[in-house]
Amino acid sequence: DTAVSQTPKYLVTQMGNDKSIKCEQNLGHDTMYWYKQDSKKFLKIMFSYNNKELIINETVPNRFSPKSPDKAHLNLHINSLELGDSAVYFCASSPPDSIYGYTFGSGTRLTVV
Amino acid sequence: KQEVTQIPAALSVPEGENLVLNCSFTDSAIYNLQWFRQDPGKGLTSLLLIQSSQREQTSGRLNASLDKSSGRSTLYIAASQPGDSATYLCAVTGGNKLVFGAGTILRVKS
Repeated sequence: DTAVSQTPKYLVTQMGNDKSIKCEQNLGHDTMYWYKQDSKKFLKIMFSYNNKELIINETVPNRFSPKSPDKAHLNLHINSLELGDSAVYFCASSPPDSIYGYTFGSGTRLTVV
Repeated sequence: KQEVTQIPAALSVPEGENLVLNCSFTDSAIYNLQWFRQDPGKGLTSLLLIQSSQREQTSGRLNASLDKSSGRSTLYIAASQPGDSATYLCAVTGGNKLVFGAGTILRVKS
């Protein structure tokens, strides 16, 4: 029944590693997003995909690469992880024109050591 | 560039009190405004969504208003309870994305 699901919930990894976070939504929404919540709890958009096409890339380092195999999935791959990448990453989805608002996943807490 | 500000940053009230959280945004060309709740270490729960053509929305003890022309929204919580303790986030939709405020940390003391 989970509307937007992310895996894993927690991720602890060493600097320099490559890791992926997966997101799936079963709401039939056309648009999916990745948001980052930093240590000060501020949420900021990273990427937005509409029907598998990238529509927003908010000046995120090239080490971050989103992949959308279909409109129900949006994965986030991070290369060469750095300490500053430690944060909580939220996936979200919305219907066309965001009429009914956004639905968020429960977040992935990434800790780089 | 849209900026969203929430006041106060933190609020501590005794149980039973009515309270108001404030949100302001710089660009009035929004599509809608959404209030979320975030519990510590948890995800975001949508509380209320106000379309740009609407003035307010109500859900139980929560009432959110929107004054698009002045760039303001308020979230009114009636008869607060300790279970209302959380961070409340205001976010506006425009330009294909949701822009968040920094949140108000609410603590309701029993």
